[in-house]
Amino acid sequence: AQTVTQSQPEMSVQEAETVTLSCTYDTSESDYYLFWYKQPPSRQMILVIRQEAYKQQNATENRFSVNFQKAAKSFSLKISDSQLGDAAMYFCAYRKDYKLSFGAGTTVTVRA
Amino acid sequence: GAVVSQHPSWVICKSGTSVKIECRSLDFQATTMFWYRQFPKQSLMLMATSNEGSKATYEQGVEKDKFLINHASLTLSTLTVTSAHPEDSSFYICSVHRGGALVPYEQYFGPGTRLTVT
Repeated sequence: AQTVTQSQPEMSVQEAETVTLSCTYDTSESDYYLFWYKQPPSRQMILVIRQEAYKQQNATENRFSVNFQKAAKSFSLKISDSQLGDAAMYFCAYRKDYKLSFGAGTTVTVRA
Repeated sequence: GAVVSQHPSWVICKSGTSVKIECRSLDFQATTMFWYRQFPKQSLMLMATSNEGSKATYEQGVEKDKFLINHASLTLSTLTVTSAHPEDSSFYICSVHRGGALVPYEQYFGPGTRLTVT
């Protein structure tokens, strides 16, 4: 079974600053996908960013970027120029054969 | 617009009764849908994989007789919580898998259903 670990229950960031969320995972597979999802207070899950394990280049989506270290099984999310709308719970997820395994989540608070 | 809908968004039922939650894929046909359960301030836990035209596949520890899943068409999957008890109160989320060349390996999530059992 795959295990996804998010060691930071809560993170706080000043508006316009940068915050990095950590995620590690455990797998014996070589081909898989990793995701970061955002869950705002509405509880609608929103895909933030996706990373294919076979790609060495780190994925980027506007202000969101990842640092994917395959050998270390690490997949951190960096949110740059944080905005008030970024406040949410963020989940790291591992996908193999269409099934998603989620980490415990990190609650991000943005200070105005 | 929304890709996946769930109905109802919030339901309150009495202990011992059954409640049905619907998950609809609005934009495409889905042979595979997933049901998750989320307790307050906790992560999503996969309960089962719903396959159109066949029996659902349940994760370890999930009672298949309590959580009945029916994937009767390519756009609809239902989750029925039978003989509900207060400990079944939770947030239930479905997701729809979409594969193919255009959008590979994407899961679209419904807005969730809050179940409260009194």
